[in-house]
Amino acid sequence: IAGITQAPTSQILAAGRRMTLRCTQDMRHNAMYWYRQDLGLGLRLIHYSNTAGTTGKGEVPDGYSVSRANTDDFPLTLASAVPSQTSVYFCASRRRGGTGELFFGEGSRLTVL
Amino acid sequence: AQSVTQPDIHITVSEGASLELRCNYSYGATPYLFWYVQSPGQGLQLLLKYFSGDTLVQGIKGFEAEFKRSQSSFNLRKPSVHWSDAAEYFCAVGRFADGNEKLTFGTGTRLTIIP
Repeated sequence: IAGITQAPTSQILAAGRRMTLRCTQDMRHNAMYWYRQDLGLGLRLIHYSNTAGTTGKGEVPDGYSVSRANTDDFPLTLASAVPSQTSVYFCASRRRGGTGELFFGEGSRLTVL
Repeated sequence: AQSVTQPDIHITVSEGASLELRCNYSYGATPYLFWYVQSPGQGLQLLLKYFSGDTLVQGIKGFEAEFKRSQSSFNLRKPSVHWSDAAEYFCAVGRFADGNEKLTFGTGTRLTIIP
């Protein structure tokens, strides 16, 4: 089934550790996004990529980095996790030139202790 | 700057009753508007979207929404809710053009259905 796969589904992490959340899509969408979802704050954009080889900052990029080596993969890295990064992270993709619909993965729940 | 307000954090309705979820937006041009639904432990699924044309748009699962430019609103409606409609609903505004790559989401409305 075509779609977005995120891994891990859930992770508990000690503060200061490095963590990479993986995101893979098989829809050949050009654009990909990382959002974090926090209670009462909705979804906030962390980083995005319009196409392979390019990335951009969203509204809450500090403490996160991304790379886009190819069309399918868009990993999100926390270089040194802090408790405020405890959240549910969603990867999404969009076909550029389309109607703007975002397709979402099922999320990665991250707890930083 | 674009923004979305969903004034109702939590709404409870009886099964079979009608539903309206409110959404107000701020956007400097003609907006693209979306409603997404999130079931517990799941990602977000698109219910419906408005780009232009008819201001009343139909979506999946029997939902509809009406774009009212004069009120900057895009309220979601359903004439008769089902227990399976219990979920979190997010309104979003954005336009992927002119260098804008941001879809702004509201804070969500949690819908509870009672028998």
